[in-house]
Amino acid sequence: AQTVTQSQPEMSVQEAETVTLSCTYDTSESDYYLFWYKQPPSRQMILVIRQEAYKQQNATENRFSVNFQKAAKSFSLKISDSQLGDAAMYFCAYRRSGTNAGKSTFGDGTTLTVKP
Amino acid sequence: EAGVAQSPRYKIIEKRQSVAFWCNPISGHATLYWYQQILGQGPKLLIQFQNNGVVDDSQLPKDRFSAERLKGVDSTLKIQPAKLEDSAVYLCASSLGGVNTEAFFGQGTRLTVV
Repeated sequence: AQTVTQSQPEMSVQEAETVTLSCTYDTSESDYYLFWYKQPPSRQMILVIRQEAYKQQNATENRFSVNFQKAAKSFSLKISDSQLGDAAMYFCAYRRSGTNAGKSTFGDGTTLTVKP
Repeated sequence: EAGVAQSPRYKIIEKRQSVAFWCNPISGHATLYWYQQILGQGPKLLIQFQNNGVVDDSQLPKDRFSAERLKGVDSTLKIQPAKLEDSAVYLCASSLGGVNTEAFFGQGTRLTVV
């Protein structure tokens, strides 16, 4: 079974600085997707960024970028120029290619605090 | 475009009571998911509907949990009787369906069983 591990229960960053959240996963599949979701206090899960395993280029979305290391099974999220609105719980998730969203496996999350 | 709507936002009940949650997915989304998110953990799928049929309910504790999606639109999730360990956030999500499509989440219902 696939597992997703987020080893940092809590992280903090100063406003305008950069922070990196870690995620490792375990799978025997070669074709899959990895995701980072943001869950603010409103509780709504919001997709931040998505990476297809067959793509060597790291995904970026504005201030959010990932460092995808397929051989190491590592998928970290970098948030640049952190803003107060980035404070939330962040979840890393894995899903085998060819499946739907119900087959996603989530990590246990990292709580990010942004200090003004 | 309206998002996934859920109600109520909060619910507190005593153990052994029953409770129901409601979800209205994004218009046109054929697939609907119910997740359970225990404090400090990621969401875990309880049940998945494709239109009004159940696709996957392997993780649903069927002795106390039930769900339906009449007419392939709105859905309700029921717990009867509730246990203390059912305290969690119940998230509903929907997607267009098919593989490799993304799910859009509602704001969830926080259930506290005392």
